[in-house]
Amino acid sequence: NAGVTQTPKFQVLKTGQSMTLQCAQDMNHEYMSWYRQDPGMGLRLIHYSVGAGITDQGEVPNGYNVSRSTTEDFPLRLLSAAPSQTSVYFCASNPGQGRTEAFFGQGTRLTVV
Amino acid sequence: AQTVTQSQPEMSVQEAETVTLSCTYDTSENNYYLFWYKQPPSRQMILVIRQEAYKQQNATENRFSVNFQKAAKSFSLKISDSQLGDTAMYFCAFRNNAGNMLTFGGGTRLMVKP
Repeated sequence: NAGVTQTPKFQVLKTGQSMTLQCAQDMNHEYMSWYRQDPGMGLRLIHYSVGAGITDQGEVPNGYNVSRSTTEDFPLRLLSAAPSQTSVYFCASNPGQGRTEAFFGQGTRLTVV
Repeated sequence: AQTVTQSQPEMSVQEAETVTLSCTYDTSENNYYLFWYKQPPSRQMILVIRQEAYKQQNATENRFSVNFQKAAKSFSLKISDSQLGDTAMYFCAFRNNAGNMLTFGGGTRLMVKP
């Protein structure tokens, strides 16, 4: 009963390094999304996907890329990490339209030094 | 674009008492969904309660209930018989009818005191 799985849970990067945050769900959900959470703020949407092969930008997309080649996976890429990207990142999925809520992963705490 | 505002950054309540967390939102849509999420120190986002905008009846889940005022665009959370385990950050969230994104408020940190 995995739900939404994010890896890694913690990561420290140097400025300019690249990395990919992994997100996988086993619930056959169509919709997936990435959020970042900064101190004192709620979660803000980075990118989202409404199905395999379809992605779109959210509120704070700059500095991040995504792809959705399968229904299960939705990786988030940082091409050149900056200190401003220090945050906690959450991946979420939901079945689609309707009353159902989003299911969240455990989050990744990323520090860029 | 939708906005969600939680005007209480921090609140505290004595164990066994009742507390109400406020949330207001702004949208031009008529059909949408509202949620309250709890985030304990473990960082996990846990759904507390949800409300469909087309339903007039306020949602309840055990000790948790909402006061949904659609015309006023208000969605407050009432926690009755507060327990120490209720200590957490609480986020109000709005989801559009298309279901493709959530908009969160800034959160309210709730401390339940013994």
